[in-house]
Amino acid sequence: KQEVTQIPAALSVPEGENLVLNCSFTDSAIYNLQWFRQDPGKGLTSLLLIQSSQREQTSGRLNASLDKSSGRSTLYIAASQPGDSATYLCAVGRSGSRLTFGEGTQLTVNP
Amino acid sequence: EPEVTQTPSHQVTQMGQEVILRCVPISNHLYFYWYRQILGQKVEFLVSFYNNEISEKSEIFDDQFSVERPDGSNFTLKIRSTKLEDSAMYFCASKFIEDYGYTFGSGTRLTVV
Repeated sequence: KQEVTQIPAALSVPEGENLVLNCSFTDSAIYNLQWFRQDPGKGLTSLLLIQSSQREQTSGRLNASLDKSSGRSTLYIAASQPGDSATYLCAVGRSGSRLTFGEGTQLTVNP
Repeated sequence: EPEVTQTPSHQVTQMGQEVILRCVPISNHLYFYWYRQILGQKVEFLVSFYNNEISEKSEIFDDQFSVERPDGSNFTLKIRSTKLEDSAMYFCASKFIEDYGYTFGSGTRLTVV
C-alpha cells in the first residue's frame, strides 16, 4: 500500500526566501506525481505534474523534482511571497488508478 | 481555463437522510473521480469512473455510496443514509487521459447533524 509523507508539516519563512518542501513515497512504481496548493476551506489547485519518466518540471517560481528510485520529490519555491501562503499537497498516482495524498505542508510567508 | 464545477458548495443534512453531490467535469475529460477530506486529515480516494462504469473504489466506498453519470455532463455522488462520520469536504476531479494531471473542483462541504 502506497504511503506518502510530507516534511515539514508546517513552515514559516520571511518574504523573499527560497524554500524546499519535501515529499516521500514508499512504492516507487508510480505513474506520475502531482503537486497541489490548497487554500483554507478551498479546493485543490494543480501546480505541477511530473510523469514517472521525467526528472523535473518548472512553472514560474516553482520547480518540482522527482527521484523515483529513492521515492522522493521536492517542490522548490523561489523568492517566496505572502500570497504563497497555503497548504501544499503532494500526490502520487498509479496507472489508471487513484491518487494517494500526503498530509501536506502548511506554508506561511511573512511580509 | 476549463473548470470542474461542484454544487452545492455547502450542504447540511440530518443523519439518515440521502444526499446527492453534483459535479460537472471538464467536457472532454474521460476519467472522473470522487475524493473526500475529513477536517484536518488527508485527502482520500473514494471512487474512479471511466467508460460509464466504476473502475476502482476504495474500502470507504461501501454500499451506502453510489455514483452516476446520468446525462453525459453531470457526475453525481449519492450517499443513501448519511452518518455523522460522513461529514467532510467532497471533491470531484476529472482527467482527460492517463498522461494528464487531475483537475479538482472547489468541493462540497457536507455537514451531517
